[in-house]
Amino acid sequence: GENVEQHPSTLSVQEGDSAVIKCTYSDSASNYFPWYKQELGKRPQLIIDIRSNVGEKKDQRIAVTLNKTAKHFSLHITETQPEDSAVYFCAAIEPGKSTFGDGTTLTVKP
Amino acid sequence: GAGVSQSPSNKVTEKGKDVELRCDPISGHTALYWYRQSLGQGLEFLIYFQGNSAPDKSGLPSDRFSAERTGGSVSTLTIQRTQQEDSAVYLCASSLGTSEREQYFGPGTRLTVT
Repeated sequence: GENVEQHPSTLSVQEGDSAVIKCTYSDSASNYFPWYKQELGKRPQLIIDIRSNVGEKKDQRIAVTLNKTAKHFSLHITETQPEDSAVYFCAAIEPGKSTFGDGTTLTVKP
Repeated sequence: GAGVSQSPSNKVTEKGKDVELRCDPISGHTALYWYRQSLGQGLEFLIYFQGNSAPDKSGLPSDRFSAERTGGSVSTLTIQRTQQEDSAVYLCASSLGTSEREQYFGPGTRLTVT
């Protein structure tokens, strides 16, 4: 089955710096790679996603890159703000199955 | 419009009792997912429905867990003879259907087994 590894598990940055979170997956059947943000006590919410036929996608301060050959994808947040502090999850989705990473706790210090 | 809803929001039960968790997906969403999230952990995939059909039940942790979906809408996750290790937040998500679609999550049901 699919295995998703996410690193780092915790990340602390200064406000205004960039943050990068990386994930690897194992199953080439995975074709959709979303990133979710989960604030304490809240439900996960999609922040950006990428499909397997695309290498990079950007939405304002957030970007995701995908390397299908190497089976890894990354989340990049630029100009971080304190409100970016949360747990971020990557996921690898294939028809009928979703596999999430263990999460990265991002802390943005003002 | 209305998002994914789940009930109850909190459930405390005694070890050995059965519990039933309910998920109401977004209207028109044919795909429905159940996940389990233990404190401070990631999301553990349990089961996926396309319409009323769950083609793969291998993600369910044990035979005490079962799930069904009727009318292509509401789904229930049943845990029989609950154990303390079943304590977690159970999240439901729905999407428009194919695997390449955003999953919208419900608020979850926090299950505590005493």
